[in-house]
Amino acid sequence: GAVVSQHPSRVICKSGTSVKIECRSLDFQATTMFWYRQFPKKSLMLMATSNEGSKATYEQGVEKDKFLINHASLTLSTLTVTSAHPEDSSFYICSARDRRATTTDTQYFGPGTRLTVL
Amino acid sequence: AQKVTQAQTEISVVEKEDVTLDCVYETRDTTYYLFWYKQPPSGELVFLIRRNSFDEQNEISGRYSWNFQKSTSSFNFTITASQVVDSAVYFCALSGYGNKLVFGAGTILRVKS
Repeated sequence: GAVVSQHPSRVICKSGTSVKIECRSLDFQATTMFWYRQFPKKSLMLMATSNEGSKATYEQGVEKDKFLINHASLTLSTLTVTSAHPEDSSFYICSARDRRATTTDTQYFGPGTRLTVL
Repeated sequence: AQKVTQAQTEISVVEKEDVTLDCVYETRDTTYYLFWYKQPPSGELVFLIRRNSFDEQNEISGRYSWNFQKSTSSFNFTITASQVVDSAVYFCALSGYGNKLVFGAGTILRVKS
């Protein structure tokens, strides 16, 4: 149980294009999903918290117009990198918290999406 | 502010050696959770353990064991009889009020045969 998928696993795009990354909780409902970014050999940095049916909460320094987050259902959140540039190349990881887990705080992580912007 | 420090950037051991990964945390919350995750070269984060702030019992799971000490704000992770498959980056993380996960910088573990 508690499986989170991400699609695509890898994407290469040209500078200036937009890329959408999907995060799905496969066997549970997630009222909250999180998006992280990880640079090579670095730790995970929280970008934003996505709540179903409401606007995402972005961390300081993260451009909300650059990284559009939509959490349209209890099992799906999407991250769109708009007008991507080479500096946006990174490993993007999502996580989801089971809505039933009111007394624990475990986040289940997706396998990540490696974005390369040429 | 919450903070997690993993002072060991990289550790190299020979197979069958025991190895301890250190984790020190800072928080003002009285209720919080501590985690360890493993990130193999594939990149996917693997959940290893969650411990809440009220449970200081040490835990053992096979070759893995964890030592939680609130007095020193530490949550160390020991792998006994390490194996090559244990080679990965290990992250310690903290979740408190607001439920955001704060990760340490990670420790790269290299186990050589």
